[in-house]
Amino acid sequence: NAGVTQTPKFQVLKTGQSMTLQCAQDMNHEYMSWYRQDPGMGLRLIHYSVGAGITDQGEVPNGYNVSRSTTEDFPLRLLSAAPSQTSVYFCASSYSDHRDYGYTFGSGTRLTVV
Amino acid sequence: QQPVQSPQAVILREGEDAVINCSSSKALYSVHWYRQKHGEAPIFLMILLKGGEQKGHDKISASFNEKKQQSSLYLTASQLSYSGTYFCGTGHSGGGADGLTFGKGTHLIIQP
Repeated sequence: NAGVTQTPKFQVLKTGQSMTLQCAQDMNHEYMSWYRQDPGMGLRLIHYSVGAGITDQGEVPNGYNVSRSTTEDFPLRLLSAAPSQTSVYFCASSYSDHRDYGYTFGSGTRLTVV
Repeated sequence: QQPVQSPQAVILREGEDAVINCSSSKALYSVHWYRQKHGEAPIFLMILLKGGEQKGHDKISASFNEKKQQSSLYLTASQLSYSGTYFCGTGHSGGGADGLTFGKGTHLIIQP
């Protein structure tokens, strides 16, 4: 049981390049979401999904796309990287509506855009 | 809109108590609490749901006042391992179906 797996752990991109951050969970969680974490800002929600085929925007969706074709995978695509997207990205997953269960976070991807 | 956490930072001696507050301007369905150590992922501590409740395990407990849209996290007889940044995350539907809106965090330093 690996939990939430994010790849890569580190990435450097040039401005204008595109890339996909991978996220996979093996816990059969319905809910998945992507956050970015910047110093002093806490975690900000980018996109979320309540199940396969269903996605929606969070607080800071501009410049990012997501899809959820399976329960397990929830990739985040950067369309045209900008220096403002330099951040640590976390993927998280959870069961639906469980009283005592919160989100399990992946170990994060540290992205630098130069 | 992000919930507001207070204090922003606190330094304690081992064995002292701490209270971290989380306040939202929007109606809440749930409040989650997480702890994050430097360079690591946030770790889930507990969830409190609409209806107003208190929860606790070991020396960490929390309360949720639905009417005031506030939650507090209580750390009793703090241990060195409690050091880290604490985040509250607020959910506005289900148990966080539409993701969570996190506060900016409270930095907790426990000194021996």
